[in-house]
Amino acid sequence: GAVVSQHPSRVICKSGTSVKIECRSLDFQATTMFWYRQFPKQSLMLMATSNEGSKATYEQGVEKDKFLINHASLTLSTLTVTSAHPEDSSFYICSARDQGWDTEAFFGQGTRLTVV
Amino acid sequence: SQKIEQNSEALNIQEGKTATLTCNYTNYSPAYLQWYRQDPGRGPVFLLLIRENEKEKRKERLKVTFDTTLKQSLFHITASQPADSATYLCALASASSNTGKLIFGQGTTLQVKP
Repeated sequence: GAVVSQHPSRVICKSGTSVKIECRSLDFQATTMFWYRQFPKQSLMLMATSNEGSKATYEQGVEKDKFLINHASLTLSTLTVTSAHPEDSSFYICSARDQGWDTEAFFGQGTRLTVV
Repeated sequence: SQKIEQNSEALNIQEGKTATLTCNYTNYSPAYLQWYRQDPGRGPVFLLLIRENEKEKRKERLKVTFDTTLKQSLFHITASQPADSATYLCALASASSNTGKLIFGQGTTLQVKP
């Protein structure tokens, strides 16, 4: 199947700093990617839909100025957590499809963010 | 309000038995429903997709059913093995959106004991 790669897999940062997470589709092009957040023992919560060449679509309750998404190419979307706080500590996961919207989604391996 | 619920947080079964996981939804009109497996600290891995006009899908030891009248999907693992121990997530995509964004249930953690 298609491969989606995230980097870094783990990051620790200080409160108030910003962290960038990359999501790449390695062997296909993705006009749309999705960003999820997962707290311990909870399910994936959709944060936003990343659209190549246009603005991301954020889910209700997700601060767009806090979680900046850039999808500048067909193989790369980035999520920047700005002015991170301990409550932003979570597992962030991206996904993409190599075919239509009604097919299987491929997920990255996730990024564990810890804000200290 | 819209909800997607997996009935059990945890399920423990003996090796060789069939595991049955349940996913119910309310106030959605899914175009399709998917099942994923997630291991600790990893991203989900796709298992099966079933569309709104399909009743049943199979893949090796896996079977999924979809009842749009009951608003329910059942996921079965037959001849379960300890290696099947993981968290299983159901997810649906609404028919009203063609972006394919997935809404996930909270997951069921399956433990298969030898």
